[in-house]
Amino acid sequence: EADIYQTPRYLVIGTGKKITLECSQTMGHDKMYWYQQDPGMELHLIHYSYGVNSTEKGDLSSESTVSRIRTEHFPLTLESARPSHTSQYLCASSTGRQEKLFFGSGTQLSVL
Amino acid sequence: GESVGLHLPTLSVQEGDNSIINCAYSNSASDYFIWYKQESGKGPQFIIDIRSNMDKRQGQRVTVLLNKTVKHLSLQIAATQPGDSAVYFCAEPPSVNMLTFGGGTRLMVKP
Repeated sequence: EADIYQTPRYLVIGTGKKITLECSQTMGHDKMYWYQQDPGMELHLIHYSYGVNSTEKGDLSSESTVSRIRTEHFPLTLESARPSHTSQYLCASSTGRQEKLFFGSGTQLSVL
Repeated sequence: GESVGLHLPTLSVQEGDNSIINCAYSNSASDYFIWYKQESGKGPQFIIDIRSNMDKRQGQRVTVLLNKTVKHLSLQIAATQPGDSAVYFCAEPPSVNMLTFGGGTRLMVKP
């Protein structure tokens, strides 16, 4: 069973609020990822990190930002949330070359 | 929110029947493939993987077949159960440290 945790599980906020979605893993994985997924739709990579102080944007353009100050922690921040940000956000981690990803349970974000 | 991407196709099977979920990949240089299962409200979970030096790999009630000639991957689930109802994604690495997810298929099991 994967040891990767996301909080909060559900979040409902108003437009214009700043939010941070938390993701932590206790497996010592170097690589961490954020995916965005709408209900019944594909997974889209929005950010990834290969290690501390390394962050890159993914395939899908996103107005969010990430940081990687510690190996185990990869938070995602929205400075000013909008209704278009309503989606499920999934965090994942992996180790090694071409290894499988371990996913968290996700944060379901609703922006009113 | 604004949806991105394509709606997922659906496969409906009778409980007890075998299920076959297909996936086409684009990168002929890919040498590693993974199948994930995503239940409603949860993150994807690893099911089985296969490397390109194999044509077939079996797990518990699941078999993955790889046809490199036509760049096609399939996941076979034997004796499908209600607990198998989920979305199934295949994934391949387009680069050394990255996985790309396929569109996914929603499997619905009828009692």
